[in-house]
Amino acid sequence: DQQVKQNSPSLSVQEGRISILNCDYTNSMFDYFLWYKKYPAEGPTFLISISSIKDKNEDGRFTVFLNKSAKHLSLHIVPSQPGDSAVYFCAASADFGNEKLTFGTGTRLTIIP
Amino acid sequence: KAGVTQTPRYLIKTRGQQVTLSCSPISGHRSVSWYQQTPGQGLQFLFEYFSETQRNKGNFPGRFSGRQFSNSRSEMNVSTLELGDSALYLCASSLDGLMEVGQFFGPGTRLTVL
Repeated sequence: DQQVKQNSPSLSVQEGRISILNCDYTNSMFDYFLWYKKYPAEGPTFLISISSIKDKNEDGRFTVFLNKSAKHLSLHIVPSQPGDSAVYFCAASADFGNEKLTFGTGTRLTIIP
Repeated sequence: KAGVTQTPRYLIKTRGQQVTLSCSPISGHRSVSWYQQTPGQGLQFLFEYFSETQRNKGNFPGRFSGRQFSNSRSEMNVSTLELGDSALYLCASSLDGLMEVGQFFGPGTRLTVL
């Protein structure tokens, strides 16, 4: 039972354009969401998070949008850079501050120079 | 600050054996979580320790166990290894609670079971 889904295993985007990575969840108890980036042979690196009381959070080139009614969140990267090529995971927690994260299966983003 | 360190980085074992993996969190972090990453399942939560006590637990069989020491270092043990236990095991640490900075992950231990 995959409670957090990333339906696109891969995505290719031209450098300078916008990258949009999507994530859907089924558990209505999730109230805190995070995005992580992972390079090969390294552990995931935290990118950005959002709590369920917000619908948008920005940090530089990264913006996360949350649509609670649709149980959907997305990560926008603008402009995309070659260093953004990595696997991106969305994760959810059922209790703000709870360390138990449920991860999606990841989307491999490739930025084309 | 030094990051999260995990030892060993690579491990090869045979079915039926047991294995112990180690994780040293970032200095000052008291929460340590363990995850299993496989190609088909992604990252799956194993358990979390805080102040030497297991605080959260995932849906893994009892063959998977862990502990945390007073210096917050943590170990994970898998007994009676099965082929399906081959995976990347990741450890993550945090101060307490996700807050706005998430967890900090180590590079992982790659376990291969033959």
